[in-house]
Amino acid sequence: AQSVTQPDIHITVSEGASLELRCNYSYGATPYLFWYVQSPGQGLQLLLKYFSGDTLVQGIKGFEAEFKRSQSSFNLRKPSVHWSDAAEYFCAVGAWSSNTGKLIFGQGTTLQVKP
Amino acid sequence: DVKVTQSSRYLVKRTGEKVFLECVQDMDHENMFWYRQDPGLGLRLIYFSYDVKMKEKGDIPEGYSVSREKKERFSLILESASTNQTSMYLCASTLGGAGNEQYFGPGTRLTVT
Repeated sequence: AQSVTQPDIHITVSEGASLELRCNYSYGATPYLFWYVQSPGQGLQLLLKYFSGDTLVQGIKGFEAEFKRSQSSFNLRKPSVHWSDAAEYFCAVGAWSSNTGKLIFGQGTTLQVKP
Repeated sequence: DVKVTQSSRYLVKRTGEKVFLECVQDMDHENMFWYRQDPGLGLRLIYFSYDVKMKEKGDIPEGYSVSREKKERFSLILESASTNQTSMYLCASTLGGAGNEQYFGPGTRLTVT
């Protein structure tokens, strides 16, 4: 069965510092992968997605993520965090065999940014 | 831009009431989803629909039902609200087929007292 694990429930970084949010997935074949961000009181917004090809994908707001098949990981990174990046981040995985577009979401990581 | 709207941002209901949450999307998406979001549990799928009048249970369907009479509208129904259904409810939609991103509404925060 597919599953997604975000090991860090809560992360605090200083403004200007680099950021890495971890995501590990379990899936029998190559999945497609997403990172979403949820600002306080808002719905989820897509940051980036991986389907195939280049394993380093670029997203909005200066975020990037790297797909590592050997580690079953899809970690999200940003070189310099801004106070406005404080939010909850969700990793999600989908199956190519599904026509319904169903996704499995991780538990989420809350990012706090210190001034 | 894809737009997914939900009928209420905040809702307060009493135990035992019948509650309707409405979701509308304007991009002719085949698939629509209802999630429940609770701290530490992420998003859990309640029900989804892949066509008009077609639905499938998600991971936590107990206590909920859904209705999709038109392609653009997907309703979540709490037949008899209970306090453990106090939560944030998110609606999403996506094109048919694999690999497409889901577009989310702003959410409805439901409190059952």
